[in-house]
Amino acid sequence: DQQVKQNSPSLSVQEGRISILNCDYTNSMFDYFLWYKKYPAEGPTFLISISSIKDKNEDGRFTVFLNKSAKHLSLHIVPSQPGDSAVYFCAAISLLNRDDKIIFGKGTRLHILP
Amino acid sequence: NAGVMQNPRHLVRRRGQEARLRCSPMKGHSHVYWYRQLPEEGLKFMVYLQKENIIDESGMPKERFSAEFPKEGPSILRIQQVVRGDSAAYFCASSPRPQGDTDTQYFGPGTRLTVL
Repeated sequence: DQQVKQNSPSLSVQEGRISILNCDYTNSMFDYFLWYKKYPAEGPTFLISISSIKDKNEDGRFTVFLNKSAKHLSLHIVPSQPGDSAVYFCAAISLLNRDDKIIFGKGTRLHILP
Repeated sequence: NAGVMQNPRHLVRRRGQEARLRCSPMKGHSHVYWYRQLPEEGLKFMVYLQKENIIDESGMPKERFSAEFPKEGPSILRIQQVVRGDSAAYFCASSPRPQGDTDTQYFGPGTRLTVL
C-alpha cells in the first residue's frame, strides 16, 4: 500500500521555467512533509519541508504547497536551472505519533532542458 | 564535519554469501536509520537504532537481516545467505536527536549491493 504517491515518474521542463512536482498521500496521520533531491550515485539530500499547520513554505527558488483537505502537496522550482536535474522524492512522517520512519514516494525524475 | 559515511560503496556477493554494510553517522549523531531502495522504487525504512539499542525494526525482513549500532564503531547492516532479491541500494541516515525533534535525517551515499 503506497502511502506517499508520486504519479509522474519523470518531468521535463525548459530552463528558466517553473518546475512543479506533485505528491499525494493517503495517511491522515502524516503531519510533516519533506522533499529530498537525489543525484545518481549519491544519497538523498534534504531540500525543504512543511508542517501540516502551514500551507506554504518558501526557501529561495523552492516553494512547497500543502493542501491538507486534498492530501496533496507540490514542490515549485522557479526559475529552473540545469543543476536541478535530479530525482525528487516526496516524503512524509507522523511527528505526533513520534514515528521515526520517513515514508518516501517513488520519486520523480526532473530533466531541465537547455 | 564529515557527512554520513557508508562503505563499501559497491558490494558484489554470490547467492548464499553474507553481506556486511557499514555506516558511520555524522559526528555528534547517535540516531541511525537504514533504508533500502529497490530499482524504480522509493526508499523504504528498515530499522532505526540508537547506540547499542534497536528502537524500531518494523521494516526489517524477519529472517537473514540484522542490524547493530555498537557503543564504539559504525552501525552494521548484516544480510546472511543473500538472494538475488536483496540486490538494492542501501542507505543509512543519521540525526542528532530522535526524528520527532528534528526536521531531517542526513543520508549517506549508499551501498549498492549486487547479488549474482
